[in-house]
Amino acid sequence: NAGVTQTPKFQVLKTGQSMTLQCAQDMNHEYMSWYRQDPGMGLRLIHYSVGAGITDQGEVPNGYNVSRSTTEDFPLRLLSAAPSQTSVYFCASGGEGALGYTFGSGTRLTVV
Amino acid sequence: RKEVEQDPGPFNVPEGATVAFNCTYSNSASQSFFWYRQDCRKEPKLLMSVYSSGNEDGRFTAQLNRASQYISLLIRDSKLSDSATYLCVVMPPPGTYKYIFGTGTRLKVLA
Repeated sequence: NAGVTQTPKFQVLKTGQSMTLQCAQDMNHEYMSWYRQDPGMGLRLIHYSVGAGITDQGEVPNGYNVSRSTTEDFPLRLLSAAPSQTSVYFCASGGEGALGYTFGSGTRLTVV
Repeated sequence: RKEVEQDPGPFNVPEGATVAFNCTYSNSASQSFFWYRQDCRKEPKLLMSVYSSGNEDGRFTAQLNRASQYISLLIRDSKLSDSATYLCVVMPPPGTYKYIFGTGTRLKVLA
C-alpha cells in the first residue's frame, strides 16, 4: 500500500543511547518532515527536507540529525537520548499535486 | 502570538448536534489551509482542504475568512464516531511546505 512507513512503532532507550527512526515513502513526494507530539504542545517540526540532499531545521532541532540521500527515505537520528525526548514522533510527506501531508503511523519513544 | 491558534476544548456535544470550531492564523501570506482529524494515539489524517469560497463534504463544511485570518469547521448531525481531535493546518507562502499545525480542538460526542 502506498504511504509513509515508520519504524519502529515503539522504542525504549536509556539516557545517552543513540538510535535512528526510519521513515520511507513511496509516493515520490519531494517534501518530508519529522514532527514530535507532546501532550498539550501539538505537533512541532523537528527537521524537514524539500528534496534529496536538502535538509533544514524546524522549530525544535536540537538533539536530532537528519539526512536525505534518496527521495524515498528520511531517517531521524537521536544523537544522545535524553528524557526530554520522550515523545511520539511522526514522519510526514507531501509534494506538488499532493493534497496536504500524509503521515506515518508514528513512533512512541520513551527515554529512561 | 502563536502562528496558528485553536481553542483546545474539549467540546462535549450530544449526538445530532451541530458544532463549529474556529482557528486563527497570523501570517497573512498563508496560502493553503486544511483540517486534519487525529484519533487518540493515531496519526493525523486529512479531513478536508479549506477553499476561499468555502467547501462542503457531507456533514462537514469548511470556510476561510482571509480578512479576519481565520478558518472554521462546521460539523452537522454529530456522530459518536466524530469524537477526535481536529487540527487546523496552515501552509505559509507557496512552495515552503512548512505546514504549521494548531494544537487541536478536542471533540467528544456523547450518546
